[in-house]
Amino acid sequence: DQQVKQNSPSLSVQEGRISILNCDYTNSMFDYFLWYKKYPAEGPTFLISISSIKDKNEDGRFTVFLNKSAKHLSLHIVPSQPGDSAVYFCAAPLTTSGTYKYIFGTGTRLKVLA
Amino acid sequence: KAGVTQTPRYLIKTRGQQVTLSCSPISGHRSVSWYQQTPGQGLQFLFEYFSETQRNKGNFPGRFSGRQFSNSRSEMNVSTLELGDSALYLCASSLGTVTNYGYTFGSGTRLTVV
Repeated sequence: DQQVKQNSPSLSVQEGRISILNCDYTNSMFDYFLWYKKYPAEGPTFLISISSIKDKNEDGRFTVFLNKSAKHLSLHIVPSQPGDSAVYFCAAPLTTSGTYKYIFGTGTRLKVLA
Repeated sequence: KAGVTQTPRYLIKTRGQQVTLSCSPISGHRSVSWYQQTPGQGLQFLFEYFSETQRNKGNFPGRFSGRQFSNSRSEMNVSTLELGDSALYLCASSLGTVTNYGYTFGSGTRLTVV
């Protein structure tokens, strides 16, 4: 059961334009979401997060939007830069007995064209 | 502040062999979680260790095991390797509290089973 889904395996965007990466979830118990960015041969690095009490969180060029009724979140990158080319994962912590694990989507490979 | 160190970076093993991977977390972090990344499957949770105890476990066969030492360093072991075990194995270091969701990932160990 894929509780977190990223239905677009890849996305290509021109430099300077907006990149929009989407993520859907099925578990209504999720109350926090994170986006990670991963370059080849490196581990994922934290990008931005959002609590379910908010519908938007912004950090520089990165903004995450959360639509709880649709169980959907999106990551906007404006303007997109070639260095943003990477695989982006959305994740949600699933808590159990005082601990948690992340449920990850399958990732979207973003390519920003110069 | 040193990051999360995983060794070795690359491994090639033969079917039926066993392998041990190592992870040194960030100083002060008592929780170490392990994830398997394969193409198309995203990152799948293997298990979490906190203060030398396995606190959480994913849906992997018993061939996958781990342990944590008193200095918080962790090892994971895979016995009787199968071709399908070829993957990137990522270690995530954290404080391990549900009030502070936050992983720092290592660069991973790329395991190839031939």
